[in-house]
Amino acid sequence: EDQVTQSPEALRLQEGESSSLNCSYTVSGLRGLFWYRQDPGKGPEFLFTLYSAGEEKEKERLKATLTKKESFLHITAPKPEDSATYLCAVQSGTYKYIFGTGTRLKVLA
Amino acid sequence: DADVTQTPRNRITKTGKRIMLECSQTKGHDRMYWYRQDPGLGLRLIYYSFDVKDINKGEISDGYSVSRQAQAKFSLSLESAIPNQTALYFCATSATGTYEQYFGPGTRLTVT
Repeated sequence: EDQVTQSPEALRLQEGESSSLNCSYTVSGLRGLFWYRQDPGKGPEFLFTLYSAGEEKEKERLKATLTKKESFLHITAPKPEDSATYLCAVQSGTYKYIFGTGTRLKVLA
Repeated sequence: DADVTQTPRNRITKTGKRIMLECSQTKGHDRMYWYRQDPGLGLRLIYYSFDVKDINKGEISDGYSVSRQAQAKFSLSLESAIPNQTALYFCATSATGTYEQYFGPGTRLTVT
């Protein structure tokens, strides 16, 4: 069964304290792995797509990496405005997207 | 202006009422989706459409129906609302040949 598991469920960091979020997946025929950011009361905002093991993408303080079983979202020197829920999703078919339940990140000033 | 818009943003309705949620997009994408989000659960697909004449059920379509009025418009209907349909509903779009989805701001629906 296709599955996506994100950990931790919640994470509190001090401003400047780097860390990583994990997304483990089991899927038959990965077409792509996606990271989204979701702020309270808003829709998910697209961040990255990763297609194959070894691929990396960066945007500002965020860096996403992919292996055959998991993806990491590394946050370097986070700021309070990085506080949000980060969602991971995998695509295993033409329309089939499986979403994780997210990691709630809180960055304290 | 937002690329994907949803109306209404909030709605409270009673059990048994019919309700329609609307989605419009200006991204020019051909594919559109409806999801619901519940606390502790990931986003779950209700229906998807790859073009105006193509409508398909997702994993949780029971109790819902959709209409693709134009390439840019995709509506979700609850024929007879029930309390366990209380959730956040999101519309999303994607373009053929790419895979990332772009989401609207959501509709918070409460069924009493």
